[in-house]
Amino acid sequence: EVQLVESGGGLVQPGGSLRLSCAASGFTFNSCEMNWVRQAPGKGLEWISYISTSGSTIYYADSVKGRFTISRDNAKNSLYLQMNSLRAEDTAVYYCARMSGSYVGTDYWGQGTLITVSS
Amino acid sequence: DIQMTQSPSSLSASVGDRVTITCRASQGIRNYLAWFQQKPGKAPKSLIYAASSLQSGVPSKFSGSGSGTDFTLTISSLQPEDFATYYCQQYDIYPLTFGQGTRLEIK
Repeated sequence: EVQLVESGGGLVQPGGSLRLSCAASGFTFNSCEMNWVRQAPGKGLEWISYISTSGSTIYYADSVKGRFTISRDNAKNSLYLQMNSLRAEDTAVYYCARMSGSYVGTDYWGQGTLITVSS
Repeated sequence: DIQMTQSPSSLSASVGDRVTITCRASQGIRNYLAWFQQKPGKAPKSLIYAASSLQSGVPSKFSGSGSGTDFTLTISSLQPEDFATYYCQQYDIYPLTFGQGTRLEIK
């Protein structure tokens, strides 16, 4: 069974940092591209970052570029999101999501982890 | 960035009804269009990829169509568990972009 389990969420002050993790199981992690998607309270879905299977190709949304860093450790079946210089508008539930190839797109989502940026 | 516009933003329907949601891209995206269902407090669930292909385990009551800029999601024979928010997403070009969502409510 495919499982994606996010962790690392919580309350952080503006300007602070946080590192999210996504533990993958039930599939060959190093064969799948991965994304982070977030959802602010009461709002829609916002894609924020992509990483290729090897980690050699990375994309970011303009809203997080220069502040967030996506990475992966295929040996540990894990995806990460390092979040720096956090702002109130970064408050959201953060989901990791698996892509089963560029044609199939996103097929599995984690349960999400809530980040609250507030003083 | 490619803008995705869904309509309607909300929709009221009855159990047993058939409904259609539309998604329009600001530029052509071939058929790289996905649909997701999200229930309150839950993660999104993937329904359709490549505009018309069902993800594994998704019932055939869900169907999608379209190519280029105009796409539709149709849900037939609505059941109580189908009332949720639906999002389209283009995955042809980064940044990936979502529609604003369509909230499907029970009439």
